[in-house]
Amino acid sequence: DQQVKQNSPSLSVQEGRISILNCDYTNSMFDYFLWYKKYPAEGPTFLISISSIKDKNEDGRFTVFLNKSAKHLSLHIVPSQPGDSAVYFCAAPSPYGQNFVFGPGTRLSVLP
Amino acid sequence: NAGVTQTPKFRVLKTGQSMTLLCAQDMNHEYMYWYRQDPGMGLRLIHYSVGEGTTAKGEVPDGYNVSRLKKQNFLLGLESAAPSQTSVYFCASRNNSPLHFGNGTRLTVT
Repeated sequence: DQQVKQNSPSLSVQEGRISILNCDYTNSMFDYFLWYKKYPAEGPTFLISISSIKDKNEDGRFTVFLNKSAKHLSLHIVPSQPGDSAVYFCAAPSPYGQNFVFGPGTRLSVLP
Repeated sequence: NAGVTQTPKFRVLKTGQSMTLLCAQDMNHEYMYWYRQDPGMGLRLIHYSVGEGTTAKGEVPDGYNVSRLKKQNFLLGLESAAPSQTSVYFCASRNNSPLHFGNGTRLTVT
């Protein structure tokens, strides 16, 4: 049973436009969420996070929105750049232990 | 400061062979993790450690063993490799921070 879901395996966006990556979760005990970015042949790298006490966190071109009532978060990238082409994972710390639960990832392609 | 280093980067094994994947971190992190990444399944936790000398099972521990004899190293062992263990393996570490990942080991079992 996937506790963190990313229902879009892939997304293509034109350079300069907005990219919106979605993530849904089932466990209401999650209190912190992270987004990771992964390039081919590299490990995932931390991108941005949000605490459940907030509904928005912004870092440059990246903004994460959290809707707790819908158990939904989204990552907005504005403007999108070709270098943003990567796989993006949504993740949350497990409330039951010192580990993290990851979604299956969304592959973003930004077309020049 | 190398961060998290995984060796080897690639390996091909025959069914039944054994091997050990090594993860080393130089950030003095307490927590260390082994994940596997498979298409459409994201990152699944195999085993993890909350400190030197400790290990715990994750979501998919069967067929793997781990050891954390030194704080900076976390070893993942496959005693008898199976084709289902063909995957990309990632090691990660942290303290009170997001996970820091290595660049992965691509393992193929034929």
